[in-house]
Parts: sequence; C-alpha cells; structure tokens
Amino acid sequence: DAGITQSPRHKVTETGTPVTLRCHQTENHRYMYWYRQDPGHGLRLIHYSYGVKDTDKGEVSDGYSVSRSKTEDFLLTLESATSSQTSVYFCAISLGLAAMGEQFFGPGTRLTVL
Amino acid sequence: GQNIDQPTEMTATEGAIVQINCTYQTSGFNGLFWYQQHAGEAPTFLSYNVLDGLEEKGRFSSFLSRSKGYSYLLLKELQMKDSASYLCAVRDFSPGGANNLFFGTGTRLTVIP
Repeated sequence: DAGITQSPRHKVTETGTPVTLRCHQTENHRYMYWYRQDPGHGLRLIHYSYGVKDTDKGEVSDGYSVSRSKTEDFLLTLESATSSQTSVYFCAISLGLAAMGEQFFGPGTRLTVL
Repeated sequence: GQNIDQPTEMTATEGAIVQINCTYQTSGFNGLFWYQQHAGEAPTFLSYNVLDGLEEKGRFSSFLSRSKGYSYLLLKELQMKDSASYLCAVRDFSPGGANNLFFGTGTRLTVIP
C-alpha cells in the first residue's frame, strides 16, 4: 500500500456535466498518473505529473484536464462528461529516485456517464 | 508509437506451470513490467526487467529479450488464487523524467482444479 486513495469510488453522472476525480497520496511522491481502463484497450495514460504545477498529456488526454497544486493531490476533471468517458479510472504514483521505480495504483473510480 | 501484444485468455491447471508471452514494438525502451490484476481490483506490481535475462521472485519469473522485443511471465505451482489478468507494460523515456508506462490489453488467466 503506497498510501493512495481515490474519491469518489463510484459515480454516476449525466452527459454534459463536469466531473472531478481526486487522487490523494500521503508519502510525498513526485510522480503521479491518471489512467483509464476499458475492455479491449487495457490501461491508457490520460495525464501525468512530475511535480507541483508540472503536468503533461498522455495518449488519451482529449476531454480531460488535470491540476496539481500540492504534492499530495492530483485532480482529474472532465469538463463536460460524455458517454465515451464511462470507464474505470486509476491513479498511480511512482516510487524511487528519478521515477525509476515501479508504479503503484490506487483502488480506482468507476465512472458511469448516462 | 507503442505496440504491445499478449494473448487475450489462457487456461491452466492447478499445480501446473504457465507461460504468458508479451511482444512489443516501442519507440523507446526503459524497462518492462508485469502486473497482476484481479477482477474489480487495482493492478499490483509483480516484476521488472530492464536487462536481458530471467528475474525470479518466488513462484513468479519474468524473462526479457530486448533484441527480440519479447518477454514472458512464468507462473509455477499454479494456485486457484492466481486466476487474474496479467498485464505487460513497457516504460519509455518521458519529459520531466516521468515513468510513463504503456500497457498491453492483458491476459486473463483461469486456473482450473
């Protein structure tokens, strides 16, 4: 357990509404990641962060934005949710110096967009 | 780009040995990871290879050949609790030194009595 929590764990929302998912870590890890997992696609990186206010896009970033105003929190926002964003979202942190370590995952958030 | 292939499903018998293969074609390579994921749960780290050869960790071993773009995960003395999906992931070099992983779609292993 790398001290990662995600909230909410489950959410049902309607198309067009904004949604924010929170990832919280307690061990001051520098690197944090947001993934989505869908059948037939596996885990895909949405955005990542390499420090406070330092973020970059992953392979499926369209429709998502992130913010990291403090080390322990990494927020993922869907500005206007669409049904294609129904998925399971995992946050992860990376251990070790210069991100050479393995990634550890939070418990996930199941999001349903109706 | 990244292309990572692994079989979709495998079935094996309790007590047996199973090998799950992963082939990859990536623009950069900085290590290969294997994760285990039980249904409805988060992935958990199993093994890591960055140099060619075999890494052994208890009942689990992982092999890497960088020249062939090939890895396998070997599970020995299979137990019912090993029924799970096994994810192969390749790490590349990313801006800011981040440890970006690219995942295959996973192999769902079913262990039968």
